[in-house]
Amino acid sequence: QAGLTQPPSVSKGLRQTATLTCTGNSNNVGNQGAAWLQQHQGHPPKLLSYRNDNRPSWISERFSASRSGNTASLTITGLQPEDEADYYCSAWDSSLSGWVFGGGTKLTVV
Amino acid sequence: EVQLVESGGGLAQPGGSLRLSCAVSGFTFSDYSMNWVRQAPGKGLEWISYISSRSSTKYYADSVKGRFTISRDNAQNSLYLLMKSLRDEDTAVYYCASEDRWGQGTLVTVSS
Repeated sequence: QAGLTQPPSVSKGLRQTATLTCTGNSNNVGNQGAAWLQQHQGHPPKLLSYRNDNRPSWISERFSASRSGNTASLTITGLQPEDEADYYCSAWDSSLSGWVFGGGTKLTVV
Repeated sequence: EVQLVESGGGLAQPGGSLRLSCAVSGFTFSDYSMNWVRQAPGKGLEWISYISSRSSTKYYADSVKGRFTISRDNAQNSLYLLMKSLRDEDTAVYYCASEDRWGQGTLVTVSS
């Protein structure tokens, strides 16, 4: 099944701001919005946001999500070493009747 | 505290079967549709199945259609995945997830 498009890697400096992108189409991101997950090596994914900008209460305000058309974005401010992880986006695809995922972006904090 | 706890993973032979369970607590399970998602070793996330809150609607990824069956018991706050005709490529960590909550996963290894 077709997936969402994410850049494979992003590198940013400590305390800088990183913006990760996720591009889909009108059947998925542009329709239902996107969710974002963070995954550290060897650990399960952790949900950061869902339906574009809904952030679970236990997630830091440094993480914010948005959408413009068919592209979703995750912005992480004040980058910390612990933010170094893989980030995945997902969205419900109404034409496929299932979730589609991006291939993931590896965020490096230098 | 919201918890989704998967169990039932393990080693299975090609062609064999396994039944995964996901025990849910801390939220009204019967109000939520649920999904199974898997992640093969070193790979990304792959959605495999969806079930609506009252079990009236079920969807499957092409990769598991006809082999896997999703079900739920709202009285028991539990989600299930019956996996048959297992293949080597089904080896993965399997997660149960709602729109806003994910479990910790259970590892399924298919190998002779």
